[in-house]
Amino acid sequence: DSGVTQTPKHLITATGQRVTLRCSPRSGDLSVYWYQQSLDQGLQFLIQYYNGEERAKGNILERFSAQQFPDLHSELNLSSLELGDSALYFCASSVGDRQAQYFGPGTRLTVT
Amino acid sequence: GIQVEQSPPDLILQEGANSTLRCNFSDSVNNLQWFHQNPWGQLINLFYIPSGTKQNGRLSATTVATERYSLLYISSSQTTDSGVYFCAVERSNDYKLSFGAGTTVTVRA
Repeated sequence: DSGVTQTPKHLITATGQRVTLRCSPRSGDLSVYWYQQSLDQGLQFLIQYYNGEERAKGNILERFSAQQFPDLHSELNLSSLELGDSALYFCASSVGDRQAQYFGPGTRLTVT
Repeated sequence: GIQVEQSPPDLILQEGANSTLRCNFSDSVNNLQWFHQNPWGQLINLFYIPSGTKQNGRLSATTVATERYSLLYISSSQTTDSGVYFCAVERSNDYKLSFGAGTTVTVRA
């Protein structure tokens, strides 16, 4: 158990819908990262927050957004969902920048 | 972006065997991590190793940053070592961790 929690574990929804994925980092970690894992794209970095502020952006679509709250938990919002958004979404946390990252169990999103 | 190449793509081992996985990267990095994704999908951090050598039980890793490669050694492999091993790097002027395609390891009893 990495200490990073993610909810829900599984999510099945229809095209065009909006979903919210939640992540609680390990106690003491200030950085939260979101990743997408799909068969065709592999593991892709989406976005990083550090102590409530956006730190870095990767290959995140405009339909996706994220935030980190004062209690350091984070949410990833995915809207206008498409079939191609079906993937495993991971959250990770670390103490700070360029430190070991610890991954949560992931949320498996299926868009039908 | 930075290119991360892992080899071999697939590895089949008999229990008890030793193996070496390689990660080559195309630019200077100040962050390199190795992860194991088990058959249940969980990603486990094995090493944070931007340079030098580290050991953790039967696993060890070496990163030669000046030559842009890292090696992961698995000794006396066990069936629980099966899964996909990922190398991930972050460029010196970046905050984005880029993952290789992984090496799929299958350890047979």
